[in-house]
Amino acid sequence: EDKVVQSPLSLVVHEGDTVTLNCSYEVTNFRSLLWYKQEKKAPTFLFMLTSSGIEKKSGRLSSILDKKELFSILNITATQTGDSAVYLCAVGVNTGTASKLTFGTGTRLQVTL
Amino acid sequence: SQTIHQWPATLVQPVGSPLSLECTVEGTSNPNLYWYRQAAGRGLQLLFYSVGIGQISSEVPQNLSASRPQDRQFILSSKKLLLSDSGFYLCAWSQKTQYFGPGTRLLVL
Repeated sequence: EDKVVQSPLSLVVHEGDTVTLNCSYEVTNFRSLLWYKQEKKAPTFLFMLTSSGIEKKSGRLSSILDKKELFSILNITATQTGDSAVYLCAVGVNTGTASKLTFGTGTRLQVTL
Repeated sequence: SQTIHQWPATLVQPVGSPLSLECTVEGTSNPNLYWYRQAAGRGLQLLFYSVGIGQISSEVPQNLSASRPQDRQFILSSKKLLLSDSGFYLCAWSQKTQYFGPGTRLLVL
């Protein structure tokens, strides 16, 4: 059975701190790893990673994938209160016709003033 | 650009009543479509996916069914709701990456 595990489950930091969120996985037919941010409603897409060792960056957020060790990290530098959300990691697997995503349970990040 | 719509946004239904949730996608053709459920405090669970009209794959045995009557329309249904069907239902479309609709919050009482 495909499995995605995120850690920590929750995290409280002060504005300006840097945080690292972890995602490890065990799946067959790996295709991609995705990060989403979920506030009160639907998840919004952050990154998709398919190759090991190549960092994806968007503003203060960055992510990298290690396909040998089967994990990914999401870094957020200079955190702001608007970064407070649940961050979801998902792994896409090939089914031959569609890519199915298996999600972790998420890391709840709270950024305080 | 592509947009995905879901309705209703919120729904309160009694146990045993039927359900129909609709999802439509604009700005793309022949997308893969997905239904997920997110129970309180839990991750997203894939329920169904579809690669084309009339083609439905079910991921977990349950009280729900899905249909795709048109290329950009995906419907989630139930004949008789259970308490355990409560949750946040999300539709997604993909070509490479999956993008989610706004979701329907369902409460079964």
